[in-house]
Amino acid sequence: GDSVTQMEGPVTLSEEAFLTINCTYTATGYPSLFWYVQYPGEGLQLLLKATKADDKGSNKGFEATYRKETTSFHLEKGSVQVSDSAVYFCALSLQGAQKLVFGQGTRLTINP
Amino acid sequence: SAVISQKPSRDICQRGTSLTIQCQVDSQVTMMFWYRQQPGQSLTLIATANQGSEATYESGFVIDKFPISRPNLTFSTLTVSNMSPEDSSIYLCSVDRGGAFNEQFFGPGTRLTVL
Repeated sequence: GDSVTQMEGPVTLSEEAFLTINCTYTATGYPSLFWYVQYPGEGLQLLLKATKADDKGSNKGFEATYRKETTSFHLEKGSVQVSDSAVYFCALSLQGAQKLVFGQGTRLTINP
Repeated sequence: SAVISQKPSRDICQRGTSLTIQCQVDSQVTMMFWYRQQPGQSLTLIATANQGSEATYESGFVIDKFPISRPNLTFSTLTVSNMSPEDSSIYLCSVDRGGAFNEQFFGPGTRLTVL
């Protein structure tokens, strides 16, 4: 079945470090890909998305590129801030399926 | 985007009781979804709720345990019935505003603790 695999957490970095959170997927069709973020005590927020191969989603300094050849959608940020501390979820949806399949989440902590 | 509210935001309940969670959206939407997030875990879809029809449940979830209502295009409820400590989770509703890419917007969640 369709699935999403994220890198194991937790991830701890210092402020201004470079961030990569790996995400790979398995899908029977041609999915749309998403990164959601959950800040402490809050609900999920859509961070960015990409809907076709080679699309790059970007928001708040975060980027992810839809790589069909490697079935990946890795999240990157060049210089993280303490306020980026949160849990990040990679997710996919298939056209017509109308539901999201989530990865297990990666907890990110940024130290000043 | 969509503004989604949930009530209650949190609750502590006794084993064997039931809790109904409300989800209100600021505009009409076709699809509403209910997810469960168990402690330290990812989100799992419970069911999809369409207005005017029975909810569609995912494998492992049944209507007797999680009855859902969808009386109109801006509102839905999820009931967690005959609760046990294993039901302690965050329950989130989300909406799909339409379009081709199934982008969903989430409510703030209801944190449920069952003693």
